[in-house]
Amino acid sequence: AQSVTQLGSHVSVSEGALVLLRCNYSSSVPPYLFWYVQYPNQGLQLLLKYTSAATLVKGINGFEAEFKKSETSFHLTKPSAHMSDAAEYFCAVSDRGEKLTFGTGTRLTIIP
Amino acid sequence: DAEITQSPRHKITETGRQVTLACHQTWNHNNMFWYRQDLGHGLRLIHYSYGVQDTNKGEVSDGYSVSRSNTEDLPLTLESAASSQTSVYFCASSGQGENIQYFGAGTRLSVL
Repeated sequence: AQSVTQLGSHVSVSEGALVLLRCNYSSSVPPYLFWYVQYPNQGLQLLLKYTSAATLVKGINGFEAEFKKSETSFHLTKPSAHMSDAAEYFCAVSDRGEKLTFGTGTRLTIIP
Repeated sequence: DAEITQSPRHKITETGRQVTLACHQTWNHNNMFWYRQDLGHGLRLIHYSYGVQDTNKGEVSDGYSVSRSNTEDLPLTLESAASSQTSVYFCASSGQGENIQYFGAGTRLSVL
């Protein structure tokens, strides 16, 4: 069975500071991993995905994530936070099938 | 542009009533999914379909049903609504062999 754990249900960072959202996964097979973002009153949008090519994956809006097999992690980072980054972020894992298992989400607040 | 739409966006109903939430996609995707989103639980899979006449139970399927009579639509029915089914419901779709899911804007359901 596959699962993801997102550490920290709420994260606050100052505008211009580093954003780090943590995700650890569990999978019995080499996984596909995803980060989605949800803005208020909207559905989820894909930020980036890892499918076993490069371990450092670049996504939209300046976000990137690094797959670390030894740590079973797929943390999301952005060097400099913008006010527009305030949203909820979900990590998800797939065992290479078509179903996704989502984490419980991390709400990111940006402090002006 | 292709899209996935959910209706209604908001619904208030009474305990015991049957409710149907609509999901329509114009991506021509084979795969469609229904999730519910609750605080502290992230997104949990209710039902999913890999094609016409195919339906499968997810992790929280009790009290819900779906049917897939065409490629575009996967309506979700609550047979007898319960207060525990108050939630935000999201529909998603993906192409065959593709893991990226595209989400609708959600339906906020209140069961009183």
